[in-house]
Amino acid sequence: AQSVTQPDIHITVSEGASLELRCNYSYGATPYLFWYVQSPGQGLQLLLKYFSGDTLVQGIKGFEAEFKRSQSSFNLRKPSVHWSDAAEYFCAVAPNDYKLSFGAGTTVTVRA
Amino acid sequence: DAGVIQSPRHEVTEMGQEVTLRCKPISGHNSLFWYRQTMMRGLELLIYFNNNVPIDDSGMPEDRFSAKMPNASFSTLKIQPSEPRDSAVYFCASSPLGGTEAFFGQGTRLTVV
Repeated sequence: AQSVTQPDIHITVSEGASLELRCNYSYGATPYLFWYVQSPGQGLQLLLKYFSGDTLVQGIKGFEAEFKRSQSSFNLRKPSVHWSDAAEYFCAVAPNDYKLSFGAGTTVTVRA
Repeated sequence: DAGVIQSPRHEVTEMGQEVTLRCKPISGHNSLFWYRQTMMRGLELLIYFNNNVPIDDSGMPEDRFSAKMPNASFSTLKIQPSEPRDSAVYFCASSPLGGTEAFFGQGTRLTVV
């Protein structure tokens, strides 16, 4: 069975600083990979996804993620965070079908 | 489009009562999912419908849980009888591509006392 690991439960970053959230997956083949963001009291919003092709994926809100097959990783990055980026971020995988498996999430706090 | 609409947003009920959560997916989407989010277990897929037909209900915790999708624009998740351990946020999501791009509703926060 596939699994998703987000090693960092909580990250605090200063406004304007760069952000990187880690995600590792365990699966026999390359699954579909996703990053979702959840603001307090809200549902999940898709930031970006990777199916195939270019391993650097651009998403909404200035986020990007890089797929590294050799490391089974799909890390999310943003060059300069804004206070509105404070939220919980979920990495998810889907092994070519509907069944999204989510990581435990990383909570991002942005300090002024 | 208004997105996936869930109701109610918050529900507080007493143990043993029946609870019904409702979901209106995005028009034109043919896949619908119910998820449960708790601190202990994170996000779990409960059930997946495709074209109104339940395809995978392996995540439904037990017989107290049931879900229906009578038409393409409406789904319900029912818990009968409810228990305190059912307290969670329940999300409905829909997708036009069989799950690879799920759009989530804002969730229903259920508290069973």
